[in-house]
Amino acid sequence: DQQVKQNSPSLSVQEGRISILNCDYTNSMFDYFLWYKKYPAEGPTFLISISSIKDKNEDGRFTVFLNKSAKHLSLHIVPSQPGDSAVYFCAARRGWAGSYQLTFGKGTKLSVIP
Amino acid sequence: DTGVSQNPRHKITKRGQNVTFRCDPISEHNRLYWYRQTLGQGPEFLTYFQNEAQLEKSRLLSDRFSAERPKGSFSTLEIQRTEQGDSAMYLCASSPSGTGAYEQFFGPGTRLTVL
Repeated sequence: DQQVKQNSPSLSVQEGRISILNCDYTNSMFDYFLWYKKYPAEGPTFLISISSIKDKNEDGRFTVFLNKSAKHLSLHIVPSQPGDSAVYFCAARRGWAGSYQLTFGKGTKLSVIP
Repeated sequence: DTGVSQNPRHKITKRGQNVTFRCDPISEHNRLYWYRQTLGQGPEFLTYFQNEAQLEKSRLLSDRFSAERPKGSFSTLEIQRTEQGDSAMYLCASSPSGTGAYEQFFGPGTRLTVL
């Protein structure tokens, strides 16, 4: 049973346009959500996060939106740059259950075309 | 470099052999995590330490797997009697404790290939 789902395995976007990566979750015990970026042969790198008590968090070109009623979050990258090409993972923490482990989705491979 | 380090980066072993991986967390972080990632999947949680205490274990962590964190600093993950299904990237992460300290910082991983 996959509790965090990223239904798009890949996404291609022109340089300068907006990239929107989506993530759905099923567990109501998740209280904190994170996005990680991963390049080949490297570990995941933390990008941005959001608490379940908020609906938006912004950091430079990156914005995460959370819709709790729909159990959906999205990562917006504006403008997209070729260096953003990587695999993006959505992750969630079951803080309400007192757990520190992160549950990850399968990832979305973003390709930004120059 | 003050990030999370893992050694070795690559390990090739034959089925049935034992392997041990090491993780050195960011020095001021007292929480340490192990994850496993296979092709086409996201990282899957294995276990978590707060200082030297192992506080969470996934059911993925079979009897052949053991993790330690003596003195609350570096950690080791040992796999006994390796199987081909153990082939994966083993990732270590660390984080500080305290309110709001939810981000985990990952090392580069150890890629295990079991022949």
